[in-house]
Amino acid sequence: ILNVEQSPQSLHVQEGDSTNFTCSFPSSNFYALHWYRWETAKSPEALFVMTLNGDEKKKGRISATLNTKEGYSYLYIKGSQPEDSATYLCAFGDHSSASKIIFGSGTRLSIRP
Amino acid sequence: EAGVVQSPRYKIIEKKQPVAFWCNPISGHNTLYWYRQNLGQGPELLIRYENEEAVDDSQLPKDRFSAERLKGVDSTLKIQPAELGDSAVYLCASSLRPDTSLAKNIQYFGAGTRLSVL
Repeated sequence: ILNVEQSPQSLHVQEGDSTNFTCSFPSSNFYALHWYRWETAKSPEALFVMTLNGDEKKKGRISATLNTKEGYSYLYIKGSQPEDSATYLCAFGDHSSASKIIFGSGTRLSIRP
Repeated sequence: EAGVVQSPRYKIIEKKQPVAFWCNPISGHNTLYWYRQNLGQGPELLIRYENEEAVDDSQLPKDRFSAERLKGVDSTLKIQPAELGDSAVYLCASSLRPDTSLAKNIQYFGAGTRLSVL
């Protein structure tokens, strides 16, 4: 059974502060690692998909890194804003099925004004 | 371009009643997924379609759940009869073919249907 773990489960951050959280996944048979942002009452939105060890992706104030050998990815948010409040989900895909991805339980981020 | 559309957004039913959810994927997306998200957990795959064929339904509780994707476009997910434990958010997603390397299987989600079974 593939296990994808995210930590922390929830996080409260003051507006303007930077933060980061972790996704751990199996290090064998790696295919891709996805990050999604899910705001309340909206659709989960794809942030990044990473495939190569050492990959770094950036989108505005949000960036992500990938270490496939040790099986973890970090998501960083610089200068948090209220609109960053959401649940951040990571999902792992392996080579056995390119279409199937396994989600972690998410990190729920709340930004305090 | 329209995104993935799901309806209804909310549904409240009594246990033992039937319920159905509908999904219209992004035009041109061959792969369609139904997920269930329980409170405090990540989405769990129920069924995946490639066009009209269900290629992975190993996690679908087949005694009470059924799904169809006629003509390989829209899809419906049905629960009959519903149980208290079925209360969850049901998400539909779609993606391009898995071998489209640039897409890398990015899944596009609808807003979900929040089901409450009383």
